[in-house]
Amino acid sequence: AQSVTQLGSHVSVSEGALVLLRCNYSSSVPPYLFWYVQYPNQGLQLLLKYTTGATLVKGINGFEAEFKKSETSFHLTKPSAHMSDAAEYFCAVSGGSNYKLTFGKGTLLTVNP
Amino acid sequence: DGGITQSPKYLFRKEGQNVTLSCEQNLNHDAMYWYRQDPGQGLRLIYYSQIVNDFQKGDIAEGYSVSREKKESFPLTVTSAQKNPTAFYLCASSIRRNLGETQYFGPGTRLLVL
Repeated sequence: AQSVTQLGSHVSVSEGALVLLRCNYSSSVPPYLFWYVQYPNQGLQLLLKYTTGATLVKGINGFEAEFKKSETSFHLTKPSAHMSDAAEYFCAVSGGSNYKLTFGKGTLLTVNP
Repeated sequence: DGGITQSPKYLFRKEGQNVTLSCEQNLNHDAMYWYRQDPGQGLRLIYYSQIVNDFQKGDIAEGYSVSREKKESFPLTVTSAQKNPTAFYLCASSIRRNLGETQYFGPGTRLLVL
């Protein structure tokens, strides 16, 4: 069975500071990994995804994530936080024969002026 | 302009009542999904459909039903058997149900119990 653990349900940073949102996964087969963002009372929007190939994945809005197989991690980073980055972020994993997408419980990012 | 629409944005259910949430997509996607979102719980899969006239239960299907009569439409009915229906419901679609396929989400419907 696959699973996702997002470390920290709430992360607070200052505007202009580094954003680091942590995601660890468990999968019995090579995983496909996703980060989604959700603004209040809206649906989820894909930020980036890892399938195969380059382990550093660049996404929209200046976000990127690095797949580290040895650490079973897929942490999301952005060099400089902007007020508009305040939202909830979800990491998700897909792997195995059932093609199911399993989500973490989410991390709420707050950006302080 | 392609995308997924969900209606209504807010829905109120009375005790013992069945309610239906609408989901329509014009992306020509084969696969569609329904998720339930509760605060601090992430998203949990209710039902999914890979093709017209076929659908499968997800992890929390009890108290819910779906149909897939058209490729574009995948309505979800919350029945009176669902004892705790208050949640945010998200519909999604993907080109097909396959590893690595991106799921695209609608704006959601918030269901509240009167």
